[in-house]
Amino acid sequence: DIQMTQSPSSVSASVGDRVTITCQASQDISSWLAWYQQKPGKAPKLLIYAASSLQSGVPSRFSGNGSGTDFTLTISSLQPEDFATYYCQQANSFPITFGQGTRLEIK
Amino acid sequence: QITLKESGPTLVKPTQTLTLTCTFSEFSLSTGGVGVGWIRQPPGKALEWLGIFYWSDDKRYSPSLRSRLTITKDTSKNQVVLTMTNMDPVDTGTYYCARPLGNRRYFDLWGQGTPVTVAS
Repeated sequence: DIQMTQSPSSVSASVGDRVTITCQASQDISSWLAWYQQKPGKAPKLLIYAASSLQSGVPSRFSGNGSGTDFTLTISSLQPEDFATYYCQQANSFPITFGQGTRLEIK
Repeated sequence: QITLKESGPTLVKPTQTLTLTCTFSEFSLSTGGVGVGWIRQPPGKALEWLGIFYWSDDKRYSPSLRSRLTITKDTSKNQVVLTMTNMDPVDTGTYYCARPLGNRRYFDLWGQGTPVTVAS
C-alpha cells in the first residue's frame, strides 16, 4: 500500500494568511493526487485533483502543486470558511489511501 | 442534480453483518466509466477507503478488509450495496458512498454519510 503522510497535523492561522500543507507519498505517484476539505459533520469536498487541477466551483485561492512523492496545497488568503480539516488522497493505484489529515484552526 | 445517499442501520451488534445501501440519482452504473465507492471515517479519525464497484462489474476492495467486504449493485434501482461481516466496535464510524470523477480514482460527489455504531 502507498502511505500518505501529511504535515503539519494541525496549524493555526489568521484570516488573510497564506497557508501551505504538505503531503508525501511513500512511492512515486506521478500526479495522481487529490486534496479534500472536510468540515465537522459534513462529507469531504474535492478541491484539487491531478495534483494541481482546480475542481469546478472551488475558489482560486486554493492551489495544488507537486509530482512524484511531494505535494503541497496552498491557500493564498485564508477566509473564515476555510477553517476545516484537509486530506490528501493518492489515486495512482489500489488500494486508494488518504493522509491522516491536517486541521486548520483559527489563531 | 446528481445525488448519492447512504441508508442502513445505525446500530449493529458485534459479530453481526452490516448492510448499507447507496441510492444515487442522475447517473447510471450502466454507463461506461462510472463507479461508486465506499469510504468510512471513525470518530475523530482519518478517511479510510473500503472499496469500489465499476460499471463493468469490476470490483476492488481494501486488502485489509477484503475478507469481510462485498459490494454489489442493483442497476434497476440505482443502488450499490456494501456488506461487511463480523462487525467489531472498531468499525464504528460514518460510512460514505461517493462517485469517482470520470474514470479516475478521485471522488467528486459524496453522500451525506451514515453513522454506524457497533455495540452490544
